[in-house]
Amino acid sequence: EAGVTQSPTHLIKTRGQQATLRCSPISGHTSVYWYQQALGLGLQFLLWYDEGEERNRGNFPPRFSGRQFPNYSSELNVNALELEDSALYLCASSLGTFQETQYFGPGTRLLVL
Amino acid sequence: AQKVTQAQTEISVVEKEDVTLDCVYETRDTTYYLFWYKQPPSGELVFLIRRNSFDEQNEISGRYSWNFQKSTSSFNFTITASQVVDSAVYFCALSEGGYQKVTFGTGTKLQVIP
Repeated sequence: EAGVTQSPTHLIKTRGQQATLRCSPISGHTSVYWYQQALGLGLQFLLWYDEGEERNRGNFPPRFSGRQFPNYSSELNVNALELEDSALYLCASSLGTFQETQYFGPGTRLLVL
Repeated sequence: AQKVTQAQTEISVVEKEDVTLDCVYETRDTTYYLFWYKQPPSGELVFLIRRNSFDEQNEISGRYSWNFQKSTSSFNFTITASQVVDSAVYFCALSEGGYQKVTFGTGTKLQVIP
């Protein structure tokens, strides 16, 4: 069974541009989560989508947004990129029921120059 | 608010030594879940174990074992006879209530030296 997939693996942008990151969950999983792992800051929860709706959001500015498509895949958009947005962005998926284990993808490494 | 503390930032052991990674958590909920993940240099987090707050039984899986103690709010992870392939960053995590938001500790970087 295929795991969580993310694309692209690496992304280089310049300050002020927009970045779009994509995630496909494990088949049968309806919940998708996004995390940011910046150097020295650990894993920070960004967003949770379930059944196409945003269910919860971490402490990030509105320029971090996303959506979930009918096939449960998801996009994370980061507008007006700043240097400190450089990080590994991890996507995870789970069954949409209570407290299910989150399984992670390989991540997208975003570098903002 | 939930919090996970992994006081050990880096540990180095020689191959075949046993090593214990500490995890202390804080939560006001009576129902919560604890997790351990492994992050090898490739970056992908690999799920290792999930434990709910009502199950304090310790668990052994091959060379891995976990010691969950509610009285001390700890969920420690032991690797027996460590191997070079165990070198990675290990994260302890907590999920409480129905929010599906997992709080991760800062991670412990384990280096196993051949």
